Amino acid sequence: KAGVTQTPRYLIKTRGQQVTLSCSPISGHRSVSWYQQTPGQGLQFLFEYFSETQRNKGNFPGRFSGRQFSNSRSEMNVSTLELGDSALYLCASSPRQGIGNTEAFFGQGTRLTVV
Amino acid sequence: DQQVKQNSPSLSVQEGRISILNCDYTNSMFDYFLWYKKYPAEGPTFLISISSIKDKNEDGRFTVFLNKSAKHLSLHIVPSQPGDSAVYFCAASARVNSGYSTLTFGKGTMLLVSP
Repeated sequence: KAGVTQTPRYLIKTRGQQVTLSCSPISGHRSVSWYQQTPGQGLQFLFEYFSETQRNKGNFPGRFSGRQFSNSRSEMNVSTLELGDSALYLCASSPRQGIGNTEAFFGQGTRLTVV
Repeated sequence: DQQVKQNSPSLSVQEGRISILNCDYTNSMFDYFLWYKKYPAEGPTFLISISSIKDKNEDGRFTVFLNKSAKHLSLHIVPSQPGDSAVYFCAASARVNSGYSTLTFGKGTMLLVSP
């Protein structure tokens, strides 16, 4: 069974640009959650999608958005990039909504560097 | 407001000895707790979990203890091995109408096990 796939693995963008990251969950998993990992803040929740609907959203500005497709694949978008957006972006998939009581499976992440 | 706290950024232990990683939480609604392990350039992988109805859960060399009155949990690794060297994240979730909430993570503790 293939794991969670995130593309691209590494990305370098300039301030002010926008970026789209992709996540393909484990086959059969309908929930996709996104997290941002930075050295000082640990893993911070961005949003969760289940059945193409955003179910939960973390405390991030509106520049961060996402969507989920009918095949459960998800994308997240960050517009008007800032230096502070440099981070590892992790995607986690789960068979059910609300991953808190299941062992969420994480992808390897996309390392975004904003210069 | 950090709802899940891992107050030790790092821990060094000798091979064969016990590693104890600690985690405190403030949200009394949390009732499910998980530990994740993360190697560099990889996504976090699930290690062990515990429900609030238990005070201990064991899986091989890994044991998690939960003290609800103190809002404290700990992960014990016995015996520690060099391959256990990684960052360990404590995570928590709360029961909500639709199931469980998303995961709230601590900032992580870097464990170094020396031969």
